[in-house]
Amino acid sequence: DGGITQSPKYLFRKEGQNVTLSCEQNLNHDAMYWYRQDPGQGLRLIYYSQIVNDFQKGDIAEGYSVSREKKESFPLTVTSAQKNPTAFYLCASSALLAEGATDTQYFGPGTRLTVL
Amino acid sequence: AQSVTQLGSHVSVSEGALVLLRCNYSSSVPPYLFWYVQYPNQGLQLLLKYTTGATLVKGINGFEAEFKKSETSFHLTKPSAHMSDAAEYFCAVEGRGGGSYIPTFGRGTSLIVHP
Repeated sequence: DGGITQSPKYLFRKEGQNVTLSCEQNLNHDAMYWYRQDPGQGLRLIYYSQIVNDFQKGDIAEGYSVSREKKESFPLTVTSAQKNPTAFYLCASSALLAEGATDTQYFGPGTRLTVL
Repeated sequence: AQSVTQLGSHVSVSEGALVLLRCNYSSSVPPYLFWYVQYPNQGLQLLLKYTTGATLVKGINGFEAEFKKSETSFHLTKPSAHMSDAAEYFCAVEGRGGGSYIPTFGRGTSLIVHP
């Protein structure tokens, strides 16, 4: 089955630690995205990538880093510089359309990160 | 630039009643429009989308939405609510030809269904 997976489902971080959230897709999508979701704030874009070895900052990139070494994979690292990382993190992917827009976004099941 | 406004962070209906979730957008180009649903502790999944053609779009689980260009709206409706419809609903807009490759999401509306 084609889809997008995230791991782990739950993650606990101690103060000062970096942690990496995994995101993998086998949909052959060019574009991948990371969102942060906090109660009542909807989805906020952290980073996105349209092509391998290239990515762009979203609205709240500070304290986060990403890489896109393979089309299928877009891991997110939450660094110690992110002062309030407790949140639900969603990864998504989509095809790029000829008209210069994206098609439907397919979301992973999410990773809930908690700082201890 | 594009933006999405979802009116009402919470909507409460009785089981069997009409569901109406409002979405208004602004976009400098004809948009693609989407409604997504999110159940607790899960990712979002597509309910329906408008790209071109018929302005009344039917989606999964009996939902439908109508693109009204003159009102810049894409409201989501369902004739009869079911308990299983309780979830968070997100409207999103993508500017066609904008080249941004970034859809803009509304803040979401939580649908509460009372027995």
